[in-house]
Amino acid sequence: NAGVTQTPKFRVLKTGQSMTLLCAQDMNHEYMYWYRQDPGMGLRLIHYSVGEGTTAKGEVPDGYNVSRLKKQNFLLGLESAAPSQTSVYFCASSNPSGSGTGELFFGEGSRLTVL
Amino acid sequence: AQSVAQPEDQVNVAEGNPLTVKCTYSVSGNPYLFWYVQYPNRGLQFLLKYITGDNLVKGSYGFEAEFNKSQTSFHLKKPSALVSDSALYFCAVRDNSGSARQLTFGSGTQLTVLP
Repeated sequence: NAGVTQTPKFRVLKTGQSMTLLCAQDMNHEYMYWYRQDPGMGLRLIHYSVGEGTTAKGEVPDGYNVSRLKKQNFLLGLESAAPSQTSVYFCASSNPSGSGTGELFFGEGSRLTVL
Repeated sequence: AQSVAQPEDQVNVAEGNPLTVKCTYSVSGNPYLFWYVQYPNRGLQFLLKYITGDNLVKGSYGFEAEFNKSQTSFHLKKPSALVSDSALYFCAVRDNSGSARQLTFGSGTQLTVLP
């Protein structure tokens, strides 16, 4: 009963390094999202995907790229990490159910520190 | 644009007393409203939602929320608080249009239930 799984859970980077966060969901959900959580700012949407092969920008997309090559996976990439990208990153998924409500299911988070 | 305000960063309540966590929203069209809870070092968990119908919505762990259209509010309530309810609570909103069902989150309210 895995749900949404994020790897890695913790990572420390130096400024300018690159890395990829992996999100995997086993619920056959169509929609997937990447959020960042910063103190006092709630969750802000970085990028999202409405299906395999599609991606779109959210509220704070700069400095990040994403890919959804398989329906169950959603990758978040940092090409050149900056200290401002120090945050906790959450992946979420949802389904466009018949009722259209589609609450989100979240992973456990990935804590990234950029020095 | 849609937005959510959680006016209190911190709410303290004694165990056994009723609790209220406040949320107001702004959205064009009819709102879909959600409450999520986050325990330390965990992802967000869905508590309850309002889509349509009865203004009083009941959710997990004995929580309920009241939708008030005239005041654009969706306050979270529980008749008798438990120490285990201590967590970070997020209100979220989206309108009933759009294909990606993007949620906008509030900044969160830290609830502490004192024994």
